[in-house]
Amino acid sequence: DAGITQSPRYKITETGRQVTLMCHQTWSHSYMFWYRQDLGHGLRLIYYSAAADITDKGEVPDGYVVSRSKTENFPLTLESATRSQTSVYFCASSSSGIPHYEQYFGPGTRLTVT
Amino acid sequence: EDQVTQSPEALRLQEGESSSLNCSYTVSGLRGLFWYRQDPGKGPEFLFTLYSAGEEKEKERLKATLTKKESFLHITAPKPEDSATYLCAVQAKGTYKYIFGTGTRLKVLA
Repeated sequence: DAGITQSPRYKITETGRQVTLMCHQTWSHSYMFWYRQDLGHGLRLIYYSAAADITDKGEVPDGYVVSRSKTENFPLTLESATRSQTSVYFCASSSSGIPHYEQYFGPGTRLTVT
Repeated sequence: EDQVTQSPEALRLQEGESSSLNCSYTVSGLRGLFWYRQDPGKGPEFLFTLYSAGEEKEKERLKATLTKKESFLHITAPKPEDSATYLCAVQAKGTYKYIFGTGTRLKVLA
């Protein structure tokens, strides 16, 4: 199906474990983004990528790692999960074409760290 | 520092009761201002992009307007299905990053 998908949709993990959240888009968009959404903070940017093999930090990158070997995939890894990383995570993508800068979001992954 | 503030935090309307949501922003050179709708348990859904002061966009019962300091999302004769959280974001020139506000939770009562 066309669009942007995330997996898993729900994940429960223990403190200290490594967990990877997957994001896949079928539009061949250049830009991809990872956000976390928490009550009182809204959506905060974790990492973003301008193209394959090009990534950069956002507002809250500590404790997270990203990679982008293919244009369509942008996985987010929590190397050693902490309770403060319990959140809802959204992946988004955007074309680089002027003037279309709007981002399109996936359905989200609800992560609980116990 | 780039910043976005949305008000009110929550709004309850009767069906048919028109109102407006506010998004105040400060940004070093605006590339675009974006409105999204988010339903519970789902990702934000794109509604509008506004690029310059004076611009307006409409979609069904929604109309977005933009000035140099704020944007309004006007909801005309809302229906219960318009109940959602509405998010505003700005993008500065020279970057593809968004700065989001914390949203307005809208509840429309039948």
